[in-house]
Amino acid sequence: EDQVTQSPEALRLQEGESSSLNCSYTVSGLRGLFWYRQDPGKGPEFLFTLYSAGEEKEKERLKATLTKKESFLHITAPKPEDSATYLCAVRVGNDYKLSFGAGTTVTVRA
Amino acid sequence: DGGITQSPKYLFRKEGQNVTLSCEQNLNHDAMYWYRQDPGQGLRLIYYSQIVNDFQKGDIAEGYSVSREKKESFPLTVTSAQKNPTAFYLCASTRGRDSPLHFGNGTRLTVT
Repeated sequence: EDQVTQSPEALRLQEGESSSLNCSYTVSGLRGLFWYRQDPGKGPEFLFTLYSAGEEKEKERLKATLTKKESFLHITAPKPEDSATYLCAVRVGNDYKLSFGAGTTVTVRA
Repeated sequence: DGGITQSPKYLFRKEGQNVTLSCEQNLNHDAMYWYRQDPGQGLRLIYYSQIVNDFQKGDIAEGYSVSREKKESFPLTVTSAQKNPTAFYLCASTRGRDSPLHFGNGTRLTVT
């Protein structure tokens, strides 16, 4: 069975303290790995798509990387406004579905 | 601005009643989805539709029903057969298999 596992479940950071979130997956035929940000009471907001091992994408303080078994979301010098739950999801083969991990909740203190 | 509109934001129902959640998109996307989110769990797929008049069950379809009569609309009915209906429901759409899902802002359903 395809699985997506995110770690840690929660991360508390001081403003400016860089860290990384992990998304590991056990799927065959990965067609894309997606990162989303979700604020409380809102729908997930798309951040990045990664398609192949070695690929990297950046947006402001966020950088996503992909290997054959996992993806990392690096947060560099975070600010309080980066506090959110970060979700990763995978799409496999010709499927239209996305399978999601449980998310990592990041709290950044000023 | 294009987007996905879910209504209402909050919904309260008594046990044993069916309830329908609305989802409308003006992104001209062919595929639409319904996910359920519970605390501490990932999003779980209820139903999805790749094209008008066609839809497929997701991982947790029991107790739910959908229709797709128009490209823009994909309503979800939570029936009295759903054992634990209280949850946050998210609707999404996408242009195609290689594109990300775009989400609405959800409906929080509470059944007592």
